[in-house]
Amino acid sequence: AQRVTQPEKLLSVFKGAPVELKCNYSYSGSPELFWYVQYSRQRLQLLLRHISRESIKGFTADLNKGETSFHLKKPFAQEEDSAMYYCALGYGGSQGNLIFGKGTKLSVKP
Amino acid sequence: EAGVAQSPRYKIIEKRQSVAFWCNPISGHATLYWYQQILGQGPKLLIQFQNNGVVDDSQLPKDRFSAERLKGVDSTLKIQPAKLEDSAVYLCASSPMGRGMYNEQFFGPGTRLTVL
Repeated sequence: AQRVTQPEKLLSVFKGAPVELKCNYSYSGSPELFWYVQYSRQRLQLLLRHISRESIKGFTADLNKGETSFHLKKPFAQEEDSAMYYCALGYGGSQGNLIFGKGTKLSVKP
Repeated sequence: EAGVAQSPRYKIIEKRQSVAFWCNPISGHATLYWYQQILGQGPKLLIQFQNNGVVDDSQLPKDRFSAERLKGVDSTLKIQPAKLEDSAVYLCASSPMGRGMYNEQFFGPGTRLTVL
C-alpha cells in the first residue's frame, strides 16, 4: 500500500543554516511527489512538485527512486520559512489523488 | 481570483448530533476534494468529485458521512451522527482539471469541528 513518511515532527534551525526536511514514500507505481506548505494562519498551498524540477522560495527537492525519498532542501533558512511542511504522494493513476505525510513543523530562529 | 470558500469556520456539537459543512470551489474547477485532518496528522482524503460525480469515496465512513455536489459546483459534507473521533479540521480543495493530470490542489481555510 502507498505510504508517506516524514520522520521529524519538528525541525528547529537558526537563520542562515541549511535545512533538509525528510520524506520517504512507499508506492509500487510511478510516483508523483509534492511538497505542500502551511504558514501560520494561512491555507495549505503547493510549494513544489518533482515533475516541474523547479526551485520555489529557494527550496528544491529531488526524487530519488532508489532510496524512495523526496527530501526538501534549502541552503540558507529564513525566518519566513517557519511553517508546517507536508510531503504528498500522487496515486490512483489518472485520478490525481494525494496521500499526505504527517507533516514537519519547521521553526527558523533568528 | 477568489479562493475556495468554506463555512462554517468553527463548529462545536455534542456526540450523536448532526453537522453539515459547505464548500464553494474556485470557479471553473472540475474536481473537488474533501479531506479530514486530525490533530497531528496530514490531511486524509474522504471523497473526490469530478464535476457532480463521485470518483473516489473509498475512505468515506459511509455509515455516518455523506457528501454531495449538486450541479457540479458547491458541495456539502454531512456527518450524522457525530462521534468524538470525528473532531478534526475538514478541508475542501479544488483543482482545475479532471482525470489525467496531477494538478495543483487549492485548499480552503477549513472547518474546525469539535465533538463533545
